[in-house]
Amino acid sequence: GAVVSQHPSWVICKSGTSVKIECRSLDFQATTMFWYRQFPKQSLMLMATSNEGSKATYEQGVEKDKFLINHASLTLSTLTVTSAHPEDSSFYICSARDSGGVGEQYFGPGTRLTVT
Amino acid sequence: EDQVTQSPEALRLQEGESSSLNCSYTVSGLRGLFWYRQDPGKGPEFLFTLYSAGEEKEKERLKATLTKKESFLHITAPKPEDSATYLCAVRTFKAAGNKLTFGGGTRVLVKP
Repeated sequence: GAVVSQHPSWVICKSGTSVKIECRSLDFQATTMFWYRQFPKQSLMLMATSNEGSKATYEQGVEKDKFLINHASLTLSTLTVTSAHPEDSSFYICSARDSGGVGEQYFGPGTRLTVT
Repeated sequence: EDQVTQSPEALRLQEGESSSLNCSYTVSGLRGLFWYRQDPGKGPEFLFTLYSAGEEKEKERLKATLTKKESFLHITAPKPEDSATYLCAVRTFKAAGNKLTFGGGTRVLVKP
C-alpha cells in the first residue's frame, strides 16, 4: 500500500526556536499534500494545502508566517514552525494525495511537537 | 457548508459483538467518501473510498456501504485489535484544493 513518512516522529524544542517537519510520499507522487493539526481526542484540523511548485493555501486562522510550508518536489513537503511557543505544542500530521491513482489520500504517522 | 457527522461518538463492544458506525453527510456534489482508522498517537490509516450510492467495500471484518445521505462501517465479529478511532471524511467537487472534510470520529473499544 501507499506509504507516507514523516520525520521526526517527535521533537522537543525551546520556546523561540524553529522546527522543521518533513513529509515524504515513498512510493507514489503527490501533487497535493496537506498539513493537519490534531488536539487530544479531537478530529483532524486542516492547516494548509500545498501544491508542488506553488504557494500553499492556508485555512482561515492559520498564520502563514508562522507555519511555513514548502512543497519542493512531487514527493516532499516540509512544515516549519517558526518562533515556536508552548501553545504550538501539538500532533502534526501530513497527508499526500496520490496524483496517479483515483485520488486516495494517505496520511503520515504524525509528529509530536513539544515546546518548552 | 459541507457537514459530516459521525455517530455514536464512542462504542464499547464485547469481542464478537457486531455493530455499525454511522457517517451522515450534507454536501453539494459528493466526489468521494473516505474511511480511516486511527490508533492513539498515530496518523490515520486508509481503509476505503466509496464513490457512489449503493457501493460496498470490504476488508477483513470491516464493510463500508454508501447511500445518498450516509455511510455505514460495519464491524463483524470484532476483535480487541479492532479498537481504534474510525474517521469518516468527504471530498466534494467544489472542495478547494481537493481537501477532505472530516467527521468527529467514533472511538471503538472492543473488550475481550
